[in-house]
Amino acid sequence: NAGVTQTPKFRVLKTGQSMTLLCAQDMNHEYMYWYRQDPGMGLRLIHYSVGEGTTAKGEVPDGYNVSRLKKQNFLLGLESAAPSQTSVYFCASSPGLLREYDTGELFFGEGSRLTVL
Amino acid sequence: RKEVEQDPGPFNVPEGATVAFNCTYSNSASQSFFWYRQDCRKEPKLLMSVYSSGNEDGRFTAQLNRASQYISLLIRDSKLSDSATYLCVLPNFGNEKLTFGTGTRLTIIP
Repeated sequence: NAGVTQTPKFRVLKTGQSMTLLCAQDMNHEYMYWYRQDPGMGLRLIHYSVGEGTTAKGEVPDGYNVSRLKKQNFLLGLESAAPSQTSVYFCASSPGLLREYDTGELFFGEGSRLTVL
Repeated sequence: RKEVEQDPGPFNVPEGATVAFNCTYSNSASQSFFWYRQDCRKEPKLLMSVYSSGNEDGRFTAQLNRASQYISLLIRDSKLSDSATYLCVLPNFGNEKLTFGTGTRLTIIP
């Protein structure tokens, strides 16, 4: 069972370079999310999508762009990488609308470790 | 005040002991919470969901104290495999987002 797959798992960039992180899920989930995790900061939401063709900003969207052209894929782009974007990036998905008494389960990918020099 | 705050630890606990840690929250209207577990260099995974006053699952008990606005996670008869970081998570049903605490690191010592 693949679940949520992120590629690449590791990447080193130079300042100013661009790159795209790919997230793919095979669970037919409507909602997909991109988080970044930094020491002492917890998981912070970058962008999210509530369905194919839709995206919305999260807590820390600056410097990132996203696209959800297909339901199963959610792409995170860095147009001009900066050292402050060195982080571990997690993609996650969930079945749909978050309702009270739902399990609250997000299904996470294994993470992508990005270093910007 | 942050929406969700956790003691970062680390908590170093001998195997077999009972350990508890808390998570405080600022939104007094919150009624549901989640605990996620994250192993070192791995992704977070759902451990427990907490509704109303609390929830129990085997050796794990989560409780919600609305008056003092905190939730707790109690682990009994701790195992080496319980070593992980435990994340407190607050759902926002209005905008479909989860707010994650920074996590409490737990190490079980043989």
